[in-house]
Amino acid sequence: LAKTTQPISMDSYEGQEVNITCSHNNIATNDYITWYQQFPSQGPRFIIQGYKTKVTNEVASLFIPADRKSSTLSLPRVSLSDTAVYYCLVALNDYKLSFGAGTTVTVRA
Amino acid sequence: SAVISQKPSRDICQRGTSLTIQCQVDSQVTMMFWYRQQPGQSLTLIATANQGSEATYESGFVIDKFPISRPNLTFSTLTVSNMSPEDSSIYLCSVETGGINEQFFGPGTRLTVL
Repeated sequence: LAKTTQPISMDSYEGQEVNITCSHNNIATNDYITWYQQFPSQGPRFIIQGYKTKVTNEVASLFIPADRKSSTLSLPRVSLSDTAVYYCLVALNDYKLSFGAGTTVTVRA
Repeated sequence: SAVISQKPSRDICQRGTSLTIQCQVDSQVTMMFWYRQQPGQSLTLIATANQGSEATYESGFVIDKFPISRPNLTFSTLTVSNMSPEDSSIYLCSVETGGINEQFFGPGTRLTVL
């Protein structure tokens, strides 16, 4: 499984855009990049996944450069309820999810 | 999507005892998973439970310590045996969704061992 590196924590304010970059230098050709969100006292929740270029859904956008050695999760106009831990995972279509340390995002009023 | 419930939601147990955690899903699923999340840490996969077969354990986890049952396609249990304070963690079950690298997680069971 490819190792991922992401910032330990990020602070933001309501209404701002939050961008979390994840490094995965040894990503394999068939690996997908997946992001999960975990609120306090809850299990993780899948939010977005991509292979290359840009993916957008109702929650976030995922930007993946051509070399795929990194990816950026973008949360538009965050609110207090977006305070959570965000995990970047890199894996083949494999049920064995490997969670790294994650990024704790704290949104302040 | 799947709705997953876990019982108990939390418990405080004495050293040397065992606790069985239940995971119930509102739809039939082939694969169910058990994870551990130690205080302030990330999630670690304990084992994969398929209905009708023995659970598959990850490195560092053994059946004698974490026996798992999977009697049908909507239910599984994880037992934490002969507990010690080091077993204090949140235990979560999850199920596959059919999507790539996508799983639905239960709310977790917060276990404290004294």
